[in-house]
Amino acid sequence: QKEVEQNSGPLSVPEGAIASLNCTYSDRVSQSFFWYRQYSGKSPELIMSIYSNGDKEDGRFTAQLNKASQYVSLLIRDSQPSDSATYLCAVNRDDKIIFGKGTRLHILP
Amino acid sequence: EAGVVQSPRYKIIEKKQPVAFWCNPISGHNTLYWYRQNLGQGPELLIRYENEEAVDDSQLPKDRFSAERLKGVDSTLKIQPAELGDSAVYLCASSGNLAGGAEQFFGPGTRLTVL
Repeated sequence: QKEVEQNSGPLSVPEGAIASLNCTYSDRVSQSFFWYRQYSGKSPELIMSIYSNGDKEDGRFTAQLNKASQYVSLLIRDSQPSDSATYLCAVNRDDKIIFGKGTRLHILP
Repeated sequence: EAGVVQSPRYKIIEKKQPVAFWCNPISGHNTLYWYRQNLGQGPELLIRYENEEAVDDSQLPKDRFSAERLKGVDSTLKIQPAELGDSAVYLCASSGNLAGGAEQFFGPGTRLTVL
């Protein structure tokens, strides 16, 4: 089992709809969790961090963490074409950040 | 505030040649990371520095890769000799906390092509 797993996609979502991105991790002692957005040919950009169970909202983005299920998700409301990118889930294990392969999101105009 | 700076942005070399990448982190950030990212993959950590000390270099291929951060600010990553499989994007990131799990900010990366 890989340490951080994401569906590679592509995930196609109509403009204005909610995009839901999921990530599972294998190590229960993981402490902090991050979502990065990466446009093609660009470097990753931090969009959300979450450290405790529950939801964390920032504008159109909501991160959800369930440590019992070892599951973290990112919801993007009112999806825009500019949200089309690869979304990387990252997990802190023993002070080391482990990245998933990313999910490609395509917002359909 | 300036972000993480990397140079060069692109590098094309022939196999067996040496290559070096340079990174200047965000001012005041004590922790610096070098990652390698292959196409369709997430970044993979090569080395993490806390100030000038390399605290995690377990993933660095030490037979050909070396890194330094002499004054706890700028850092250089070197490959000698380069192999075809080293073609990738090399990313530098920094964070402000003395922990590997803090929020990291990435530079633009160096795209290396080995022919």
